[in-house]
Amino acid sequence: SQQGEEDPQALSIQEGENATMNCSYKTSINNLQWYRQNSGRGLVHLILIRSNEREKHSGRLRVTLDTSKKSSSLLITASRAADTASYFCPGANNLFFGTGTRLTVIP
Amino acid sequence: EPEVTQTPSHQVTQMGQEVILRCVPISNHLYFYWYRQILGQKVEFLVSFYNNEISEKSEIFDDQFSVERPDGSNFTLKIRSTKLEDSAMYFCASRQGLSGELFFGEGSRLTVL
Repeated sequence: SQQGEEDPQALSIQEGENATMNCSYKTSINNLQWYRQNSGRGLVHLILIRSNEREKHSGRLRVTLDTSKKSSSLLITASRAADTASYFCPGANNLFFGTGTRLTVIP
Repeated sequence: EPEVTQTPSHQVTQMGQEVILRCVPISNHLYFYWYRQILGQKVEFLVSFYNNEISEKSEIFDDQFSVERPDGSNFTLKIRSTKLEDSAMYFCASRQGLSGELFFGEGSRLTVL
């Protein structure tokens, strides 16, 4: 399969807690990207990490990448109700989207 | 900030009718894409377009679908004879380079009756 696979499928946390979601992919990559989709809306790019990087930060987001394990993780710190969405790491060429992790942040 | 725009936002059509969904990608982008999302399901890749030709397409993108870049700004998806199962949200996306970030439009919701 060319798509990325996100885990867990669903995650529910209280506002202020941290949320961690994981991604596994099968093909070699130049970079790995994370996207978010609010229900019924277009996907929004969150962060890109290059294959020679191990960790990257952007605001409340922290992404790690392990190319030897073909895996990545996305950490959202101090979550807010507005972070409620589905999160995706597309696979080959960053084109193929899986089912994502549905994050619910409870106020 | 530049954005991808899609029209119409919602179209209702009768089964068997032709539908054209329109997209205006970001002006300096070179790679264009269409995706489909059936309600409650994942975002499915349909087709990628570069240098005025299809570069990749999925199994979903059969003969009833076609794409075109009729001028320097628009990128269209045509569905020749719509079926009930074509009811979905269709997203257009573009990016500047092959490994860059994708910019998505807000989608066109197609309802086939």
